[in-house]
Amino acid sequence: GENVEQHPSTLSVQEGDSAVIKCTYSDSASNYFPWYKQELGKRPQLIIDIRSNVGEKKDQRIAVTLNKTAKHFSLHITETQPEDSAVYFCAASSGNTPLVFGKGTRLSVIA
Amino acid sequence: DAGITQSPRHKVTETGTPVTLRCHQTENHRYMYWYRQDPGHGLRLIHYSYGVKDTDKGEVSDGYSVSRSKTEDFLLTLESATSSQTSVYFCAISEKGGQGLNQPQHFGDGTRLSIL
Repeated sequence: GENVEQHPSTLSVQEGDSAVIKCTYSDSASNYFPWYKQELGKRPQLIIDIRSNVGEKKDQRIAVTLNKTAKHFSLHITETQPEDSAVYFCAASSGNTPLVFGKGTRLSVIA
Repeated sequence: DAGITQSPRHKVTETGTPVTLRCHQTENHRYMYWYRQDPGHGLRLIHYSYGVKDTDKGEVSDGYSVSRSKTEDFLLTLESATSSQTSVYFCAISEKGGQGLNQPQHFGDGTRLSIL
């Protein structure tokens, strides 16, 4: 089955700097890749997603890139702010099987 | 926000007792999921449902059962709770589309379950 690995497990950046979180997946049939943000004590919330027919997608300060050949995708957050501090999860699905999640990255934005 | 209600929100119980968690949705979505979240493990799928009375196992299904008698309700049961099942449990829903399971999932607020 699908296996998703996420790196790094923790990340600290200065406010205003960029943050990058990377995920790799094992199933070449996977074609849907969402990213979730989870603040402390809250539910995971979808922040952006990408499908395999697209190489990059942006939404204001966040962007996701996908490299199907290498089977990895990344989350980019620019101009980080303290409210970006949270745990971020990547996931992958082929459509025939449910989402498989990475283990998460704890992002700390230092003011 | 998606209309998902989990109950109870918190529960403390003893080893060996049965426990049932409820997920209720008002979105009429086809797919419903139960996850557990533990430090260092992320979100792990327990069971999911693709319609009334249609369910399938996830990655960590041992010790858990589910039922879906109505579109809006998905129940998770621990028949005889163990301390290893202490966790935060999240329900999620998604709409049918494309190939089915590759659609955005929306999560409930979670149930914190402690088994002593």
